[in-house]
Amino acid sequence: GQQLNQSPQSMFIQEGEDVSMNCTSSSIFNTWLWYKQDPGEGPVLLIALYKAGELTSNGRLTAQFGITRKDSFLNISASIPSDVGIYFCAGRRSGGSNYKLTFGKGTLLTVNP
Amino acid sequence: GAGVSQSPRYKVTKRGQDVALRCDPISGHVSLYWYRQALGQGPEFLTYFNYEAQQDKSGLPNDRFSAERPEGSISTLTIQRTEQRDSAMYRCASSLTDASGYPHYEQYFGPGTRLTVT
Repeated sequence: GQQLNQSPQSMFIQEGEDVSMNCTSSSIFNTWLWYKQDPGEGPVLLIALYKAGELTSNGRLTAQFGITRKDSFLNISASIPSDVGIYFCAGRRSGGSNYKLTFGKGTLLTVNP
Repeated sequence: GAGVSQSPRYKVTKRGQDVALRCDPISGHVSLYWYRQALGQGPEFLTYFNYEAQQDKSGLPNDRFSAERPEGSISTLTIQRTEQRDSAMYRCASSLTDASGYPHYEQYFGPGTRLTVT
C-alpha cells in the first residue's frame, strides 16, 4: 500500500542537539500528523497540523504543514535521551475516507547521552 | 483511564492455522481501526468500523482476512489459513467522533499483537 516518503530513515545524535525530519507525498493531504512510537508500544500523537503553511509547537517539538499540502517537517530542539524512538508522519485526507491515515516508514532516533 | 488493549500480545502459529486477534477500544470510542505494521514500516490501514458497521475493508489483503465488531465495542480480526507472509505486528486503534460526526483525527493505538507464522 501507499506510504509517505519519510527521511532520514535513522539518526544518531548527541544529547542537546537539534533534530529535523521530513515527510513528502505525491498527493495532497488535508491534515498532517506526527506520531512517536516507543519500544513495545503503539504510536502516540505528538502534533496535528490542519492548514497549509501552519507552524505548530508542542514544547521542544515544532512541526510545519507545507504550503503545497504535500509535505511536512518535524524539528526537535535540545534532544534528551527520552526522545529515543521511532517518529512517524501520517497524512489524512478530507471527504469520504477521512478516517484513513497514511503513514511514512518512520525515522529511528537514537540519542547518545 | 484505560487505553486500547489487544490480546494476545504475541502469537506464534503454524502455517495453515486460523488465528483470532482481539481489540478492546477505549470506552466510548465509536470509531475502530485495524492496521498492519511490518518491520521497518509504518502502520498500513486494513479496515474501519463505525460502531458495529464495517465501513471500509479495502485494506484487507485478501479474503482470508476478516474482521467484526458485533456489539460496537470489542473487535476481532481473524486470519484463516495463515501464511508466513502474514507475519507482522497487527495494531488496533480507536477514536472519538468530532462535532460534525466524522471520525476524530486523533487515533489512539494499542500495543499490538505480534503474529509469527512458522
